[in-house]
Amino acid sequence: AQSVTQLGSHVSVSEGALVLLRCNYSSSVPPYLFWYVQYPNQGLQLLLKYTTGATLVKGINGFEAEFKKSETSFHLTKPSAHMSDAAEYFCAVSDRSGNTGKLIFGQGTTLQVKP
Amino acid sequence: NAGVTQTPKFRVLKTGQSMTLLCAQDMNHEYMYWYRQDPGMGLRLIHYSVGEGTTAKGEVPDGYNVSRLKKQNFLLGLESAAPSQTSVYFCASRSSGTQYFGPGTRLTVL
Repeated sequence: AQSVTQLGSHVSVSEGALVLLRCNYSSSVPPYLFWYVQYPNQGLQLLLKYTTGATLVKGINGFEAEFKKSETSFHLTKPSAHMSDAAEYFCAVSDRSGNTGKLIFGQGTTLQVKP
Repeated sequence: NAGVTQTPKFRVLKTGQSMTLLCAQDMNHEYMYWYRQDPGMGLRLIHYSVGEGTTAKGEVPDGYNVSRLKKQNFLLGLESAAPSQTSVYFCASRSSGTQYFGPGTRLTVL
């Protein structure tokens, strides 16, 4: 069965510092991979996704993630944090086989950005 | 284009009461999903639908029922609410491999 682990439920960075949010997955076959962001009292918004092709994926708001098959990881990064990046971030996977599109989510990481 | 909308936004129920949450999408998507979000647990799939008239169980279906009579609507029902169903409920629809989420319904069961 697939699973997703996000290392660190809370991450705190200073404004302008590098953001690194970690995501590892467990799957017999590399799945589709997603990062979603949730601002307070809102729904989830897609940041980026990896399905096939280039392993470095660029998303919205300056975020990017790299799929590393050997490490079963899909870590999210941003070179310089902005106060508006404070939110909860979710990594998710979806099985390539079948066609249900079901997502398995990690536990979430809350990003705090300090001035 | 409203995207995915959810009704109501907030609700408080007493144990044993029933209610229906409505999800509507105007993007003509075939696939729709219901999730619940609990602190420290991410989102967990309750039920989903791959098209009008179809439904299937997800990871945590117990205590919930769903219906997809119209393509644009996906209803989530609680027949006899329990405090363990206190949660935030999100609906999503899917196109081209991406799920689009509604704003959520915050449900409290006393």
